[in-house]
Amino acid sequence: GQQVMQIPQYQHVQEGEDFTTYCNSSTTLSNIQWYKQRPGGHPVFLIQLVKSGEVKKQKRLTFQFGEAKKNSSLHITATQTTDVGTYFCAGQAGNNRKLIWGLGTSLAVNP
Amino acid sequence: NAGVTQTPKFRVLKTGQSMTLLCAQDMNHEYMYWYRQDPGMGLRLIHYSVGEGTTAKGEVPDGYNVSRLKKQNFLLGLESAAPSQTSVYFCASSYLRTGGFEGTQPQHFGDGTRLSIL
Repeated sequence: GQQVMQIPQYQHVQEGEDFTTYCNSSTTLSNIQWYKQRPGGHPVFLIQLVKSGEVKKQKRLTFQFGEAKKNSSLHITATQTTDVGTYFCAGQAGNNRKLIWGLGTSLAVNP
Repeated sequence: NAGVTQTPKFRVLKTGQSMTLLCAQDMNHEYMYWYRQDPGMGLRLIHYSVGEGTTAKGEVPDGYNVSRLKKQNFLLGLESAAPSQTSVYFCASSYLRTGGFEGTQPQHFGDGTRLSIL
């Protein structure tokens, strides 16, 4: 079936270091979304990418959608303790009303 | 504006008992979803609904039933609870965007229900 692989599963960084998580889909996606879940919380929508090669920025966060629309990345510059949580990517294939979720990358930040 | 509200927040059941989890949204969203989240397993879709009176199976539907009699409510039922159903359950909703791009829109999640089955 359709899958979205997300790596790494865990990442532990020192505050101020950069962080990147990657998603790779087995199928071409029509769009991809990113969510953040704080420990004990619920997933919160961050951004949606639709166009091939699209790059979007939110302050220290940079999101990219690959040219073939099969991969995506989230890069955080100079991590802060407030970045702690699990980051999920979720892709849509065609007009399917369901999202294909990655397993998430858990980020820990040492102050 | 409450968004997505899930009740109850916590529940402990004995094996074989039944219960219903309630999800209510006040954003007039067409789509609603039930997920379960287990350590290392990410979010797995149980059932979803694309409108009032319609439901469909997700990737892990066995042991669960759902109903969407009103647009704002989506109920998840466990007829005979099993320890394997111990999990955190999240409800989510999203709206239908029309006009040339029927893409899946961002999902808004409730706070979750932590369910333990002994």
